Amino acid sequence: DGGITQSPKYLFRKEGQNVTLSCEQNLNHDAMYWYRQDPGQGLRLIYYSQIVNDFQKGDIAEGYSVSREKKESFPLTVTSAQKNPTAFYLCASSIVDSSYEQYFGPGTRLTVT
Amino acid sequence: GESVGLHLPTLSVQEGDNSIINCAYSNSASDYFIWYKQESGKGPQFIIDIRSNMDKRQGQRVTVLLNKTVKHLSLQIAATQPGDSAVYFCAESVLTNTGNQFYFGTGTSLTVIP
Repeated sequence: DGGITQSPKYLFRKEGQNVTLSCEQNLNHDAMYWYRQDPGQGLRLIYYSQIVNDFQKGDIAEGYSVSREKKESFPLTVTSAQKNPTAFYLCASSIVDSSYEQYFGPGTRLTVT
Repeated sequence: GESVGLHLPTLSVQEGDNSIINCAYSNSASDYFIWYKQESGKGPQFIIDIRSNMDKRQGQRVTVLLNKTVKHLSLQIAATQPGDSAVYFCAESVLTNTGNQFYFGTGTSLTVIP
């Protein structure tokens, strides 16, 4: 089955630790995205990548980093510099060169204490 | 910046009634609009989409209406069922020279009363 997977579903970390969230897709999509979702708010774009080895900052990139070494994978690292990291993180992918829907993963809920 | 907003944050309907969820957008360059359904603790799921050159599109029990004059989008769900209870997001897509940009509304929480 084609789709996007995110792991783990729940993640707990102590304040001051970096943590990496996994996102893998087998849809052969070129574009991948990371969003953050907080209660009562819409999705906010953290980073996106249109092609391997290239990525751009979204609206709230501070305290986050990404890599895109493979087309299928777009891991997100939440660093200790992120002031309020506890949130629901969603990964998505889409076809490039077409205004087309995004396919979302199931999300990772990160709790930092 | 872009703005995609929903008129009502919550909506309660009786099972079997029709539901209408509204959305306003601000970017005239948006060429594609999508409705997503998100159940608690899960990622958004695609419901239906519409291109900017259309004003109506129907799916199974759902209809999306687009009014470009007033920049308004609506999702109609016929014969609402308990399984329709979820948060519904509208999103607009703009194809730019740096790639697809997607903008999301805050969501409307739909509760279906049995």
